[in-house]
Amino acid sequence: AQKITQTQPGMFVQEKEAVTLDCTYDTSDPSYGLFWYKQPSSGEMIFLIYQGSYDQQNATEGRYSLNFQKARKSANLVISASQLGDSAMYFCAMRDYESTDKLIFGTGTRLQVFP
Amino acid sequence: GAGVSQSPSNKVTEKGKDVELRCDPISGHTALYWYRQRLGQGLEFLIYFQGNSAPDKSGLPSDRFSAERTGESVSTLTIQRTQQEDSAVYLCASSTGQPTYEQYFGPGTRLTVT
Repeated sequence: AQKITQTQPGMFVQEKEAVTLDCTYDTSDPSYGLFWYKQPSSGEMIFLIYQGSYDQQNATEGRYSLNFQKARKSANLVISASQLGDSAMYFCAMRDYESTDKLIFGTGTRLQVFP
Repeated sequence: GAGVSQSPSNKVTEKGKDVELRCDPISGHTALYWYRQRLGQGLEFLIYFQGNSAPDKSGLPSDRFSAERTGESVSTLTIQRTQQEDSAVYLCASSTGQPTYEQYFGPGTRLTVT
């Protein structure tokens, strides 16, 4: 069964510094997609970045990049130049293309950015 | 607006009552998903609709939960005989089914069962 693991319940980072949020996954299927979502205190889920299992390069979207290490089954999110507005919950999720289109979510990491 | 909308935003109900939650997906999105998020937890998949295909109901926690979708339009999630453990935020998402399969989420309905 597919599984997403986020081992960091909470992280602190100083403004303007970079931070890495960990995510490992487990699947037996060769085709899958990995996502990161941000959930501010207001509750909405905001899509940040996507990485396909066959993508050769790590995904980047502005200050977000995904450190994809396929052999280790890890898909860590790197946020560069942290801003106070980055304080939120961050969820890693996986989509399995072979069987169903649902997303499997991790338990999340709460990031707090301090001045 | 052009995003996913959900109603009501908040719902307080007594244990044993039935509730209906509504989701309006983004126009043109063929896929629609319902998730549940308990306080401090991640999202749990409930049900998935894709076009006219049979829905994937594998995440529904009990037969008290059901959902319908008419074509590629609105969906309703119904919880019968609500229990206190049903208290959660219910999130709806829609997707075009394009290669990245990005899901766009609505603001959620916060359900409180007293």
